Amino acid sequence: TQLLEQSPQFLSIQEGENLTVYCNSSSVFSSLQWYRQEPGEGPVLLVTVVTGGEVKKLKRLTFQFGDARKDSSLHITAAQPGDTGLYLCAGASLKTSYDKVIFGPGTSLSVIP
Amino acid sequence: DTAVSQTPKYLVTQMGNDKSIKCEQNLGHDTMYWYKQDSKKFLKIMFSYNNKELIINETVPNRFSPKSPDKAHLNLHINSLELGDSAVYFCASSQAWASGRGEQYFGPGTRLTVT
Repeated sequence: TQLLEQSPQFLSIQEGENLTVYCNSSSVFSSLQWYRQEPGEGPVLLVTVVTGGEVKKLKRLTFQFGDARKDSSLHITAAQPGDTGLYLCAGASLKTSYDKVIFGPGTSLSVIP
Repeated sequence: DTAVSQTPKYLVTQMGNDKSIKCEQNLGHDTMYWYKQDSKKFLKIMFSYNNKELIINETVPNRFSPKSPDKAHLNLHINSLELGDSAVYFCASSQAWASGRGEQYFGPGTRLTVT
């Protein structure tokens, strides 16, 4: 059974601080996505990483896919209150005829002004 | 324009009732999903349809029946609602079915409360 773990589960930081969120698995994935979910809304796709070792930047957010394609990290520089939300990682595995996607349990981030 | 829309946004009903949630996407995607998010925010897939054909049916009670009249719509009907069905239900769609990417676009969710 494929499982994704995320750490930390909860994170509360002051505005301007840096933080890193981790997504780990014992399984290899074809790709990995990061989503952000705000209260009362659906998850919104932030990025997809596909190649082992790949690094993608989205403004103050830096995403990295592990070399073995089993884990990923999300680093936020100079966090702002607008970054508050639930961060979900999702791993996709290409099966014979469909993509199997599993979600991690999420990291709830609160950025205090 | 809303990419993935769901109705209703909130649904409060009593145990034993039957209810439906509707989902529509205007992204031109072939694949649609239903997810359940519990009180701990864990997102779990329930069903997936590709071009109106059921592809994924996770361990979901038979009381839940999805229907896809066309590839832009995926509805969820729930019979004999139970207290444990209370959750937020999300509809999602994705462009490519077997691409190894699995990027999904979610609707705003339907918060179901069973009393």
